[in-house]
Formats: sequence, structure tokens, C-alpha cells
Amino acid sequence: DTEVTQTPKHLVMGMTNKKSLKCEQHMGHRAMYWYKQKAKKPPELMFVYSYEKLSINESVPSRFSPECPNSSLLNLHLHALQPEDSALYLCASSPKGGRVTEAFFGQGTRLTVV
Amino acid sequence: GESVGLHLPTLSVQEGDNSIINCAYSNSASDYFIWYKQESGKGPQFIIDIRSNMDKRQGQRVTVLLNKTVKHLSLQIAATQPGDSAVYFCAAGGGGNKLTFGTGTQLKVEL
Repeated sequence: DTEVTQTPKHLVMGMTNKKSLKCEQHMGHRAMYWYKQKAKKPPELMFVYSYEKLSINESVPSRFSPECPNSSLLNLHLHALQPEDSALYLCASSPKGGRVTEAFFGQGTRLTVV
Repeated sequence: GESVGLHLPTLSVQEGDNSIINCAYSNSASDYFIWYKQESGKGPQFIIDIRSNMDKRQGQRVTVLLNKTVKHLSLQIAATQPGDSAVYFCAAGGGGNKLTFGTGTQLKVEL
């Protein structure tokens, strides 16, 4: 089983809304990632959690707030987003913290900011 | 920082032919590489990986070649099928959990 589950699949939110994206894996993986992908572009790394601790923040604006409640769950809290934040948000996980190995992705949340 | 690039944005092949997708990376500290396939509206799908202590790795219909001297890797797909049509990304990792993606190649399989 290499499944990473993301919810919701689609989300439309206004610029004053607060919403959250959720990601779940039950593979016992100890590293979890958030990526942002715009159309016809590669995924861009946003955050990495390693052993439930934030290990990488790629200078992401504070309107994106990650949270890792436990080793199976990863959230991305969204507040006061801009239309240019509309994108596919991808979650991934890999077995080891501290060193990237096989990384498996979910199907993503298609976010539209209006 | 890491820069991972691809030589060709679009590759068209005939069904049944072999496909070769290339990728160059800039960080000599990169020691782990993954090839992903991404179909429209879906997340990237893990195809095959290779560590820097290897030159070649084979999977089912796919082979990855790594040339550390020129910082280049390639993905070979044998007997390309219509279902192989997608965007292919290489991704490179080094110390830590950072995984950086290349720009992607659109593979189109013509019948």
C-alpha cells in the first residue's frame, strides 16, 4: 500500500476565508511534504516535516500554516489567500526522516481562490 | 541551490518504439533520484529511483541510467504504449528530506 490520501479534492475559497487541507498516510512514513504545483510547472516544495517536526520551510508566506498532529496526518491551514495562490496542492510522504527516499504523492487538492 | 532540468519539453514517439527522457542536475551533492509520471489532474506517480552508487536500474519496461560525471540521468521506456502518455519529471535529493523537481517532459505516444 503506497496510498497518500488528500482531502478535499477540490476547494474554492474567498480571500477572507480560513480553510484547511488534510493529508493522511498509514505506511508508517516519518517524513511528510507539502508541494504547490501551478499548471504546466513542476511541483515546488513548500514544507517538510521530519519525525513530526518542521524541518524545511521554503520561505513560504505566513498565510500558509502547516501542522503535523501525528506521524500519519499533515494539515495545511490557509488564511487570507490571494488569487495567485490558486494551484494544485500536493502532499507526499517518504519512509525516513532526515533523508529522502521513496516519496509517494497523493492526488492533490485543486484550490481556487476567488 | 539544486537545479534540475530537462533537455526537451515535449517528446513524441510512435507506439511500440522506445522512449528516452533526459534530465540534467547541477548539485553534485545529489545522491538520490526519482522519476515520476504525472497524468492530467493527478498527483505524480513514483516510477523508479536510483542512488548515486548505481549507474543503472531496471524496472518493468523502464530503465534509469545515471552518469554522475556529467550529472545526467535518463529514463528509458521500452515498447511505449498510449497509456505512457503523460508528463515525466525527474527529482533529485541530497542530504535531508529536500526533493527538487525538474521542469518536466510531455511524452506523447502516437498511434
